[in-house]
Amino acid sequence: SQTIHQWPATLVQPVGSPLSLECTVEGTSNPNLYWYRQAAGRGLQLLFYSVGIGQISSEVPQNLSASRPQDRQFILSSKKLLLSDSGFYLCAWGQTNSPLHFGNGTRLTVT
Amino acid sequence: AQSVTQLGSHVSVSEGALVLLRCNYSSSVPPYLFWYVQYPNQGLQLLLKYTTGATLVKGINGFEAEFKKSETSFHLTKPSAHMSDAAEYFCAVSDRSGNTGKLIFGQGTTLQVKP
Repeated sequence: SQTIHQWPATLVQPVGSPLSLECTVEGTSNPNLYWYRQAAGRGLQLLFYSVGIGQISSEVPQNLSASRPQDRQFILSSKKLLLSDSGFYLCAWGQTNSPLHFGNGTRLTVT
Repeated sequence: AQSVTQLGSHVSVSEGALVLLRCNYSSSVPPYLFWYVQYPNQGLQLLLKYTTGATLVKGINGFEAEFKKSETSFHLTKPSAHMSDAAEYFCAVSDRSGNTGKLIFGQGTTLQVKP
């Protein structure tokens, strides 16, 4: 069966520090991969998605970037965090026209 | 472009009462629709989905939803609320404008269940 792993579960980082969140999927090949951010009271905002290795699409301009170095690995990064980057980050995988399957999320607090 | 509107950011029901969470969508193509549930500090769990076929869809935990094309709605219901149903619920539509698999989510509805 397919599983998705996302870490860390919580993270507290100072403003200006770098960020790296990692997500891996097991039990499937060539999945679509997604990073969503959930801010309080604002639903889920799609940040990045990837339909293949090295293929990254950004949905909104921001201080973050994403990379997909391997088929089942998706990384969310920032060189310098802002206070506004705080939120709950969710990684997900799926196939076209199918449900998405979510990781357990990372709670990021930028101080 | 597709979009989703969830009516009511907070819904409160008594234990044992009917749960009704409203979702309306906008889509230029036949939609694929989903309901997800999220418990505090956890990811989203799929409750049910509609793609094609029967318009009344049954999901996990006793939830069901009915796709009504004429009303562009996909409301989520459960006949009798349980305390464990307290959570946040998201309606989503699949972006079928390309082979990206993206889901577009509503703003979410927080369900409170009172004893």
